Order: sequence, then C-alpha cells, then structure tokens
Amino acid sequence: GDSVTQMEGPVTLSEEAFLTINCTYTATGYPSLFWYVQYPGEGLQLLLKATKADDKGSNKGFEATYRKETTSFHLEKGSVQVSDSAVYFCALRPRSGGSNYKLTFGKGTLLTVNP
Amino acid sequence: DAGVIQSPRHEVTEMGQEVTLRCKPISGHDYLFWYRQTMMRGLELLIYFNNNVPIDDSGMPEDRFSAKMPNASFSTLKIQPSEPRDSAVYFCASARGDNSPLHFGNGTRLTVT
Repeated sequence: GDSVTQMEGPVTLSEEAFLTINCTYTATGYPSLFWYVQYPGEGLQLLLKATKADDKGSNKGFEATYRKETTSFHLEKGSVQVSDSAVYFCALRPRSGGSNYKLTFGKGTLLTVNP
Repeated sequence: DAGVIQSPRHEVTEMGQEVTLRCKPISGHDYLFWYRQTMMRGLELLIYFNNNVPIDDSGMPEDRFSAKMPNASFSTLKIQPSEPRDSAVYFCASARGDNSPLHFGNGTRLTVT
C-alpha cells in the first residue's frame, strides 16, 4: 500500500537558518503530494501541494519539488523564523480515485526555531 | 467563517466510561472526516461522511467506536466503553467536494485513565 516516510525529529534550528525536512513516498502511479503544518494546539493546515512530477509547491517562503525519479518531496525554507515552529506532515493522495479519504500522512516532524 | 469547531478541547475520563466527541463542520462543506492522532501511529482516518452518510468506516478500530452525522452541521464520535489505549487527539475535518483541501478543527485531546 501507499506510504510516506519523513525524517524523524525533532529538528531544532536557530532563527534565519536553512531548513530541510525530507519526505519520500511509496505509491502506485503518480500521486499528488502535500505538506501540512500543525501549529501548537491547532489542527493541520495545508501548506503547499504539487500534483505532477517536477511541479514546485510554494507558500510562506516554503518550497517543495515533486521528484518522481527519487520519489521525494522534501520541504525547504531558506530562512526560518520562530513563528515557523510547528509539526510538519508530508502526505500523498493517489492519482486514481483521488478522494480526500485516501490521504496517507507521514508521522510528522517537529520543528523548533530558537531566537 | 468560524472554521471547524470541536468540543470539548480536553476530555479526561476513567476506563469504562462513555465518551462523546463533537464536531461542527464549516457551513457548506459536504465531506466530514474523523482522524485519530497518536505518537505511535501518527494520523489515522477513522471514518468519513459525504452528505451526512457514512461512506467508509474501515478505519474505526473496533465496535466500541461509533460515529453519527444527524445533519449537515453536526457529527459525533462515541467511544463506549473507553479504554486507556484510546487516549489520543481526535480531529474532525471537513471539505467542500471530493478533492478540495481538508480544513481541520483544533482537536479533542482524550485521556482515559
């Protein structure tokens, strides 16, 4: 079945540092890929998405590129802020019958940014 | 838009007691999802509804769990009897249409002692 593997956290960075959170997936065909963010005490929010190979999703300074050859969707940000401290989830949705209910989430990576 | 509203935010109960979690989806959203989040298993889909009808409950762990959606603006997830291994954060999410982004509530943190 489909699966998503994220780098284990926690990740602790200083403000303005470069961030990479690795995500690889296993799926049949070409799924859509997502990053969700969960701030403390809140539910998940969609951060960015990519629906086909070589697409780059971006939002709030975060970027991720859909790499079919490496089955990866790594999240990056050039300069993190304290307000980016949260848990980040990589997720996929299969191409065929791609209903929301078939979203597969990774286990999440906790990011803490210190001033 | 008030977002997805869940209640209570925190619930502490003793093993064997009945627990009811509540969710009000965003108005106009026709899909509603219940997820469970734990450290060990991450985020798991328990059940989802379309137009108030349960579509897939294969993620419900056992018969102690049940969910209802009596109308478009309200859903409940009930655990009876509760067990310590049910301790988790339970999220409700809603969406307009089959492929639109999910909107999550802030969750209910359940602790069963």
